[in-house]
This record gives sequence, structure tokens and C-alpha cells, in this order.
Amino acid sequence: DSGVTQTPKHLITATGQRVTLRCSPRSGDLSVYWYQQSLDQGLQFLIQYYNGEERAKGNILERFSAQQFPDLHSELNLSSLELGDSALYFCASSVGTSADTQYFGPGTRLTVL
Amino acid sequence: GENVEQHPSTLSVQEGDSAVIKCTYSDSASNYFPWYKQELGKRPQLIIDIRSNVGEKKDQRIAVTLNKTAKHFSLHITETQPEDSAVYFCAPLGLGWDKIIFGKGTRLHILP
Repeated sequence: DSGVTQTPKHLITATGQRVTLRCSPRSGDLSVYWYQQSLDQGLQFLIQYYNGEERAKGNILERFSAQQFPDLHSELNLSSLELGDSALYFCASSVGTSADTQYFGPGTRLTVL
Repeated sequence: GENVEQHPSTLSVQEGDSAVIKCTYSDSASNYFPWYKQELGKRPQLIIDIRSNVGEKKDQRIAVTLNKTAKHFSLHITETQPEDSAVYFCAPLGLGWDKIIFGKGTRLHILP
């Protein structure tokens, strides 16, 4: 157990819908990272938040957004969902701004029908 | 960071033999070189990392070697065991990075 929690574990929804994925970092970690992993694909970095502020942006679609709250948990919002958004979404956390020594959560499996 | 490539994409080795996976990168400012292991259906886990002031690091059966001049680093697994079967990812990072790039992964099969 890495200490990073994610909810829900599984999510099944329909095209055009909107969902929210939640992540709680390890105690003491200030950075949260979001990744998308499609079937048989590598990890695609989406976005990083550090202490409530957006720190770095990867290949995140405009239909996706994220935020980090004062208690440091983070939410990833996915809207106007498409079939191709079906994937595993991981969050990870680290102590500082640098992405070294990241600890990953168990992931949320999103299925868009 | 920047362009990251892993080779091979798939590797099958006999149990007890050694496995080597190579990661090449293009960003000369990279200074942190980790390897992650992801078992089927599980989260990626950091298994070993090295920083640019060190050429080699070993932790029991796994080791990472770094060649900064040639811009590549490698994961070495000795005396492979069935539980080593997984996908392995590299993700070199550098100062001033603004995006994280993972290699596409190497699927390692340990044959009985």
C-alpha cells in the first residue's frame, strides 16, 4: 500500500457524460499528479498540482480539468466523455515539486459505453 | 525527459537468467533516472532510481546503470523469478522539466 488512495475503483458511464475522480495523496505529500493509461499503452502524464496550484501540464484534453483542494486531495473532472476516454486513471503524489520518488494510487478504471 | 525510448518492447527470459532493459533519452538536462514496475492490473511502483552523480546502483537482484554521455540508462535483473513478470517503465526527469514522459514500457516474461 503506497498511502495514496483513489475513488472510485471502477466507473462505468455513457458517452457525453461527466465524471469526477478523486485522489488523496500520502500524508505530507504536497504534489499530486494525474496519469491516463489506455489498454496496452504507457502512462500519459496529464497534469500536476502542488499545494493547491497547477504546476505542470501534459497532454490533458480541454474536456478534462483538475483541481487540488486546501486539504490537498485532488479531483480530476472528465466531461463530454467519448469511447476513447476509457482507460485506467492513476494519481501519484510526491513530497515536493519535483516528480522524483512518486507514489502511485491503485487507479480508477473508467469504462465509457 | 523529451524523447524517451525503451528497448526491447517485449523480453522473454528463462527463470534464473538475467534480463536487461534499456532506456534512451534526448534531454541532456535529465538528472533523475527511475524504473517503475507494473504488474497486471496493479499500480506502477518505483523499484530503483539513480541520480546523475552516480553511475550504478544496486538493490539485491536489481541494478540500474547510467551512461550520461550516451544518454541511456539500463535496468538489470539477475536470477529472474516468476514474480519479476511485469511491465517495466523508465521516466527520466531533468531540471526545469514541465512534463513527465514515461517510456512505452517493456513487457518482461519469465519462462518456467
